Amino acid sequence: GAVVSQHPSWVICKSGTSVKIECRSLDFQATTMFWYRQFPKQSLMLMATSNEGSKATYEQGVEKDKFLINHASLTLSTLTVTSAHPEDSSFYICSARGSESVLGYTFGSGTRLTVV
Amino acid sequence: AQKVTQAQTEISVVEKEDVTLDCVYETRDTTYYLFWYKQPPSGELVFLIRRNSFDEQNEISGRYSWNFQKSTSSFNFTITASQVVDSAVYFCALSVRGKSTFGDGTTLTVKP
Repeated sequence: GAVVSQHPSWVICKSGTSVKIECRSLDFQATTMFWYRQFPKQSLMLMATSNEGSKATYEQGVEKDKFLINHASLTLSTLTVTSAHPEDSSFYICSARGSESVLGYTFGSGTRLTVV
Repeated sequence: AQKVTQAQTEISVVEKEDVTLDCVYETRDTTYYLFWYKQPPSGELVFLIRRNSFDEQNEISGRYSWNFQKSTSSFNFTITASQVVDSAVYFCALSVRGKSTFGDGTTLTVKP
């Protein structure tokens, strides 16, 4: 149980285009989803927290207009990287927390974004 | 604020050696989860273990074992009889109310 599916696994896009990454909870309702970013050879850093039906809370230094997060349902959150640039190339990973505390913190498999 | 320290940046061992990866955490919350993840060169994050703050029982899973000690705020990970396939970056993470803080990771290289 508590499976999180993230799609796509990898994506290559041209500079200036937008890319959408999906994070789905398959067998539980995710009241909260978290988005992390990992630059090469670095640790994972929290970008934003989203609660279903409300606006995401962004960490300091993360541009909310560039990284659009939508959490419209209890099973789906999306991260859209708008007007992507090569410096946005990174590994993006989501995690989800269920409405029951016992479900804890499950991560998706991550998305490797390369902007050329 | 939460903090996770993995003091060992890189470790290199020869196959069949035992190796312990250290993790020290800081939090004022009494309810939290601790995780270990493996990130192989392919990049995906592989879940290894999750522990909640109320369960200090150590765990063994095959060649892997974990030692959780609240008294020293440590959650160390030991690989017994290491193998080349264990080569990866290992992350320790602390989660409070779902928000995870990761350590900087330890790069383990197991040489044949």
